Amino acid sequence: GIQVEQSPPDLILQEGANSTLRCNFSDSVNNLQWFHQNPWGQLINLFYIPSGTKQNGRLSATTVATERYSLLYISSSQTTDSGVYFCAVSSGGSYIPTFGRGTSLIVHP
Amino acid sequence: DADVTQTPRNRITKTGKRIMLECSQTKGHDRMYWYRQDPGLGLRLIYYSFDVKDINKGEISDGYSVSRQAQAKFSLSLESAIPNQTALYFCATSDLYSQETQYFGPGTRLLVL
Repeated sequence: GIQVEQSPPDLILQEGANSTLRCNFSDSVNNLQWFHQNPWGQLINLFYIPSGTKQNGRLSATTVATERYSLLYISSSQTTDSGVYFCAVSSGGSYIPTFGRGTSLIVHP
Repeated sequence: DADVTQTPRNRITKTGKRIMLECSQTKGHDRMYWYRQDPGLGLRLIYYSFDVKDINKGEISDGYSVSRQAQAKFSLSLESAIPNQTALYFCATSDLYSQETQYFGPGTRLLVL
């Protein structure tokens, strides 16, 4: 099956800093999603982005499908951005997602 | 009210006991999924269902079974719980009209002693 690697595994920032999270995948994809898991465990969908660029407030994402990677940008980070960020991809006709192991982000005040 | 609900939210059980985790959704989605999350391993798929009559095994289905009682309900059972099934369990839904975006329930924390 498709392989998904996320980097870095851990990230610590001061409030106000910017960051870039990366998701590499091993095959062409028909679906790519970014999720945020908050410290209470809730998983929230951030972006559906199999290709191109999207922005939502301080967050934006870019997927370069031909080069098999996606980037999640967090600007002017806030303590509420803390948590784990997951990338999930699917390929072929199944739309069954495979999750990466996540990037754990801690934002200090 | 939440679109995807899970019960119970927390459960402690003993080795060998049978337990059921329940998931309900009001989003009207056809597709439902069960995942487990272990520290550092991300989410792994246990079972998924594309409609009431469709049940499929995921990556780690051994030791688990499921039932799709209705479009809105999808239950996960551990027939004989063992300690390495201690994990955080999530239910999720999706459909083609939402571009297969996944919507997650709040999770169930299960501890098997």
